[in-house]
Amino acid sequence: DGGITQSPKYLFRKEGQNVTLSCEQNLNHDAMYWYRQDPGQGLRLIYYSQIVNDFQKGDIAEGYSVSREKKESFPLTVTSAQKNPTAFYLCASSTGAGRNYGYTFGSGTRLTVV
Amino acid sequence: DAKTTQPNSMESNEEEPVHLPCNHSTISGTDYIHWYRQLPSQGPEYVIHGLTSNVNNRMASLAIAEDRKSSTLILHRATLRDAAVYYCILRGSGGGADGLTFGKGTHLIIQP
Repeated sequence: DGGITQSPKYLFRKEGQNVTLSCEQNLNHDAMYWYRQDPGQGLRLIYYSQIVNDFQKGDIAEGYSVSREKKESFPLTVTSAQKNPTAFYLCASSTGAGRNYGYTFGSGTRLTVV
Repeated sequence: DAKTTQPNSMESNEEEPVHLPCNHSTISGTDYIHWYRQLPSQGPEYVIHGLTSNVNNRMASLAIAEDRKSSTLILHRATLRDAAVYYCILRGSGGGADGLTFGKGTHLIIQP
């Protein structure tokens, strides 16, 4: 079955360390997205990519970095510059950038800074 | 993306219909209305979307007001598995990001 795989499900990081969250999709979708969700809150867009080798900042990109070297993969690095990285991170993909396309989400990675 | 307004929470009984409202008075003519739901500790799941006409699929129905300033997600026969946070989103051309902007949604509680 096609879908989005995020790994790991839970991640613990020490302060000052960079950490990379994995997102892989086998849906042949062109667009991929990273969101952050804090407890009791909605989703905020971190970065998005509409084609390979191209990505754009979302609303809260500071302290994060991404790459899109392959269509299937869109890893997110949470750097030490991110002041409050503890959150639930969600990856999504879409078959197109038009308004008539829905999104498929992964099951998320819960990052905790210890 | 234009803003939507949803009640913070709603409660319903199992096996009864549920009507989840969403107001979007600033919707533009080309904005699509999308609904997603999120179970605890999971990613959001697509439910349904539409532009002007009412839409039906195996999960739910979407009723869109004639002036498009509001819409209602209808779960015809709620089950305990429908307990989730439901997000109403407008997908339009606003902002540089084509991604969806999610508010806090409606927390739907289903009583057995």
